[in-house]
Amino acid sequence: EAGVAQSPRYKIIEKRQSVAFWCNPISGHATLYWYQQILGQGPKLLIQFQNNGVVDDSQLPKDRFSAERLKGVDSTLKIQPAKLEDSAVYLCASSLQGADTGELFFGEGSRLTVL
Amino acid sequence: SQKIEQNSEALNIQEGKTATLTCNYTNYSPAYLQWYRQDPGRGPVFLLLIRENEKEKRKERLKVTFDTTLKQSLFHITASQPADSATYLCALPSNNTDKLIFGTGTRLQVFP
Repeated sequence: EAGVAQSPRYKIIEKRQSVAFWCNPISGHATLYWYQQILGQGPKLLIQFQNNGVVDDSQLPKDRFSAERLKGVDSTLKIQPAKLEDSAVYLCASSLQGADTGELFFGEGSRLTVL
Repeated sequence: SQKIEQNSEALNIQEGKTATLTCNYTNYSPAYLQWYRQDPGRGPVFLLLIRENEKEKRKERLKVTFDTTLKQSLFHITASQPADSATYLCALPSNNTDKLIFGTGTRLQVFP
């Protein structure tokens, strides 16, 4: 079974530039999550989708971050314009239903460095 | 405010010993709690889920306990091996939601 795919693995940009990350979840998984993990910290939930609807985006900095889930499958996370403090690993995860029914499957992450 | 606390200091133990990691939480009433393993440069990998009505759960050399009175979960690895060296994260749902919140993780180092 293929896992959660993310790209790119690494991205270096200058502040005020834009960047986009792509995620392809495990086939059939209804719930998709984007987490931000700053070095030395635990993952922080940015946005959670159930199929193609947003369940929670309370921690998403909406002035610069946006995310969409096309047709309830793939998802993109965009940052525009980037700030130095956005340097982090962006993790995409998916689950069959919600977290209460079982595990989240994580991708390898996209490491962003903002200079 | 809601808080999840894991020991930020690394835990160093000798191979063959039992490693015990702690996850404490405040202002949460989680119906379940999950533990994940994260290796450097990789995404977290699910290990165990324990529900509030379960006191203990085991999987091979892993054991998790969940004490809703103490608001604490303990994660044990028996007969630890160098390959168990990683960061271990606990996660629980934010109150009345399905939103999974992670602790900061504890780094475990098992030396031969």
